Amino acid sequence: SQQGEEDPQALSIQEGENATMNCSYKTSINNLQWYRQNSGRGLVHLILIRSNEREKHSGRLRVTLDTSKKSSSLLITASRAADTASYFCATGAGGTSYGKLTFGQGTILTVHP
Amino acid sequence: DAGVIQSPRHEVTEMGQEVTLRCKPISGHDYLFWYRQTMMRGLELLIYFNNNVPIDDSGMPEDRFSAKMPNASFSTLKIQPSEPRDSAVYFCASSFGGQGATPLHFGNGTRLTVT
Repeated sequence: SQQGEEDPQALSIQEGENATMNCSYKTSINNLQWYRQNSGRGLVHLILIRSNEREKHSGRLRVTLDTSKKSSSLLITASRAADTASYFCATGAGGTSYGKLTFGQGTILTVHP
Repeated sequence: DAGVIQSPRHEVTEMGQEVTLRCKPISGHDYLFWYRQTMMRGLELLIYFNNNVPIDDSGMPEDRFSAKMPNASFSTLKIQPSEPRDSAVYFCASSFGGQGATPLHFGNGTRLTVT
């Protein structure tokens, strides 16, 4: 079963608006990652946040992590048409599951020019 | 760096045929992963290798699937015999260090259609 679940499944906004995507997970993690996938392409890593971090920024991206609620959010500010893609969260666990990175079902983001 | 290279990009085959998917990871990366993506099941981890050794193949759906990594620069995923339900996009990814703590670099995938 999928560890991470994104919400919403689809998001449609106008260029310039902010886009927020949420991810919930079930078991303890040592880090959470966000990836983007353009149509017909492989996933591209965006940002990694460790379990002892609460917030990270990268350009127009802001990721938060709340381990008490087992949730994360990805905020894209001042969106552009080029941000249109699917966005996935992925969780990495420690211990015997060190090697496993489990992906959610993704959020399809459409940014209209 | 050319990134992770997968071949072929598209594969159309008939049920019962053998299919071999290929992957060249990024030079220097010590982990290699095979994922399968479908609309119904999303992205599933099939198997991963560390230093050419299979570590976890619990995601391999059944005995028809096999994966090898004969050296640090090449891996194959084989399906024999193929079935229509194997139709999916298969991704190879590599990383330096365990995927639990470092980013994965994905290839552009192989879209497999089994008729």
